[in-house]
This record gives sequence, C-alpha cells and structure tokens, in this order.
Amino acid sequence: GAVVSQHPSRVICKSGTSVKIECRSLDFQATTMFWYRQFPKQSLMLMATSNEGSKATYEQGVEKDKFLINHASLTLSTLTVTSAHPEDSSFYICSASRSDGQETQYFGPGTRLLVL
Amino acid sequence: AQSVAQPEDQVNVAEGNPLTVKCTYSVSGNPYLFWYVQYPNRGLQFLLKYITGDNLVKGSYGFEAEFNKSQTSFHLKKPSALVSDSALYFCAVRDYTGRRALTFGSGTRLQVQP
Repeated sequence: GAVVSQHPSRVICKSGTSVKIECRSLDFQATTMFWYRQFPKQSLMLMATSNEGSKATYEQGVEKDKFLINHASLTLSTLTVTSAHPEDSSFYICSASRSDGQETQYFGPGTRLLVL
Repeated sequence: AQSVAQPEDQVNVAEGNPLTVKCTYSVSGNPYLFWYVQYPNRGLQFLLKYITGDNLVKGSYGFEAEFNKSQTSFHLKKPSALVSDSALYFCAVRDYTGRRALTFGSGTRLQVQP
C-alpha cells in the first residue's frame, strides 16, 4: 500500500502561538511531498512543494516565513504555522509521491487547525 | 497554466443507477489525470489515474473514467451507484513535463439516494 499519516489530526491553539504538523509516508519513500490547504466546501489549494534535503517551493501568495516547511528525510515533512492567527484556521492536507516515478500522490488524512 | 473544471457542484442519483461526474481539463502537453474521493473531515483517497495507454481506466470501488483527448475530458463513471458512494469527488491534472504538483477541480458532491 501507500499510506500517509498526519499528526495531529486536530489542533486548537491560541492566537500568536506556533503549530507544527507532521506528514509521514509510512510504507514508501517520498522525495517530494506537497502541502495543501482546504477551506470549507472548497477545493484544495497548493501551498508548497517540499523536496527532501532542499528548500521548499512556495506558491504565489503563500508566506514562506509564516508557513515553515522542513523535509528532513524521505518519509517526513513538517509544516509549522508560525504566529498563528484566526485566519489561518483551515484544513491542512499533505500528500506524498513515491520515489519510483509512479506519479500518484497519496494524501494524508488532514489536520484541522483552529486558532482562537 | 493548467486548470480543471468540474461543472457540477452536486450530482444526485438513485442507488443502482449509473453515475457520471464530469471533468474537463486544460494543460500544455500531455496530461496526467486523476480522480480522488473525499469523505467528511478526511483526506483524499486515490480512485484512478490516466497516464498513458488505454483511454478507459478502471479504478477502485468499481469506478472507471474515460480519457477523451479531443474533448479534453476525463469523466468519472460507475455502472451502479451505491449509497456509500456519496462523497466529494475531485478531478486533478498535472502536465507531465512540468512540476509534479496537482491542480484540482472545485469538486463535485455526489449524493446517492436509497
């Protein structure tokens, strides 16, 4: 199989604090991971592309200093929302592509962030 | 730039009837096309993909999709709908020469009535 996990599944934090979300590929290696954001009843919007061992590539309009991405290994990428504000409340979903070029992206279950 | 259109916000179908969820795309070069399904408060589950080869692609849970290059479409189909198929369906595309990130359609909510 191709299983991607995310932790935590749900987090509530106070405004101004930072939150780290982990994305792991459990049974395969992923040279590339992607971070998406989904607002209620809307589609997924790509935030950034994360490549193992290099800096992430951010989409236009996404603040790289606010959404810190680290892809430390072939099975782990982290997204840190720094100094979170209520408008950062959203559903964050990661995906991972296998390193064997199969092209399919496998998605994590998502993390619901609520900033009070 | 690549884009995906899912013209229907919602599709209603009776259980046992065939279903179709429409998707058209725009991409420079040859497309890689995907369908994903999302259940409430969950991530996306992969259903099927078209990379190359046979235009009719069979996927998980009895779903299939037909790649039509002339109409730039990739409609999702199932011969007999189940109530458990009720969910949000996303079509996605990427250009095989470009970046690997997917561009998603707006999603179509499928409601299967018993």
